[in-house]
Amino acid sequence: DIVMTQSPATLSVSPGERATLSCRASQSVSSDLAWYQEKPGQAPRLLIYGASTRATGIPVRFSGSGSGTEFTLTISSLQSEDFAVYYCQQYNAWPPLYTFGQGTKLEIK
Amino acid sequence: QVQLVESGGGVVQPGRSLRLSCGASGFTFTGFGMHWVRQAPGKGLEWVAVISYDAFNTYYADSVRGRFTISRDNSKNTLYLQLNSLRAEDTAVYYCAKDLGGNLSDAFDIWGRGTMVTVSS
Repeated sequence: DIVMTQSPATLSVSPGERATLSCRASQSVSSDLAWYQEKPGQAPRLLIYGASTRATGIPVRFSGSGSGTEFTLTISSLQSEDFAVYYCQQYNAWPPLYTFGQGTKLEIK
Repeated sequence: QVQLVESGGGVVQPGRSLRLSCGASGFTFTGFGMHWVRQAPGKGLEWVAVISYDAFNTYYADSVRGRFTISRDNSKNTLYLQLNSLRAEDTAVYYCAKDLGGNLSDAFDIWGRGTMVTVSS
């Protein structure tokens, strides 16, 4: 199975600053990589798919990059509503076996 | 608007069964694969199962294969998950989610708010 590893587990950043979250795959997943945001009591929200394509309605301050085994989610200027848990997910495996990273908690510094 | 609403969760004893439902609205249900994803208390997201748009193909995580069954009724715009032989480690919030594309090789673009399943004696 493809293992997804996110770092750091917790990231403390001040509002208005940039946040950079990392995700590594145990083998190449090409660009079949998504990022999700999760807030307490809410459904997870798709932010990025195809490693770098913003989903519908996602602000331009969210950007994704990478391919193969190394991926990054960047939030250019943190807003109060961005403090949440972020998960990466690969969807490259066939037969389908989707795996998530363990999550990065983005907290206010 | 586009929406998924799960139901059917509850408290159940180990070894018993439960059926979850997910009602879809606001999109062409018959055009997309559908997933179940779960999250144990304080833990991360775990994909559980997927079904193709036409119900012909289903795939499962190793942790649930042989115990859980995913199905869908396209005439009712509803997705199901039958949970049998439940274990304590199946305790989680269960989310249904829509496949972004139609080929089961894509991200999950719409999620419900989840239904809680607690397995306890």
